[in-house]
Amino acid sequence: KAGVTQTPRYLIKTRGQQVTLSCSPISGHRSVSWYQQTPGQGLQFLFEYFSETQRNKGNFPGRFSGRQFSNSRSEMNVSTLELGDSALYLCASGRDSGFYEQYFGPGTRLTVT
Amino acid sequence: GEDVEQSLFLSVREGDSSVINCTYTDSSSTYLYWYKQEPGAGLQLLTYIFSNMDMKQDQRLTVLLNKKDKHLSLRIADTQTGDSAIYFCAESTDSNYQLIWGAGTKLIIKP
Repeated sequence: KAGVTQTPRYLIKTRGQQVTLSCSPISGHRSVSWYQQTPGQGLQFLFEYFSETQRNKGNFPGRFSGRQFSNSRSEMNVSTLELGDSALYLCASGRDSGFYEQYFGPGTRLTVT
Repeated sequence: GEDVEQSLFLSVREGDSSVINCTYTDSSSTYLYWYKQEPGAGLQLLTYIFSNMDMKQDQRLTVLLNKKDKHLSLRIADTQTGDSAIYFCAESTDSNYQLIWGAGTKLIIKP
């Protein structure tokens, strides 16, 4: 069974640009969560989608947005990039509710210059 | 608000047991989790415990939960070099569908 895949794995953007990251969950999983990991702030929850609906959202500005498609694939978008957005963005998928069934992808390393 | 705390480093000798500790503040936590992150890799769920349990054992891993003190620990028996990683404690509640993470404990194995 294929794991969670994230594309691209590495990305370099310039301040002020926007970026879209993609996450393909494990087949059969309908929940996709996104996290930001930085050395200073650690792991922080961005949002979670279940069956194309955003079910929960963390404390991030509106520049961070996401969506989920009918095939459960998810994208997150960051507009007007800031230097502080440089981070590892992790996606996790789950079958339904319950984080004990959550599996993480390898992450997308975003560098903003 | 909710908070999860861990010490940042733990150094143990190969073959010894490692005990990684975590404290949390949210008394309504439903599940508590231990994740492992190896360099350049994503997060791997090692084990989890439901809040009405005291202990859970899975091969070399033992999780102990003291709900009264809001203290969670992960014991790794016979620590090997492959156990070198950062270990994250996390909690979730039924009312707030997200994971609250600790800062992670870096486990260093000495030969």
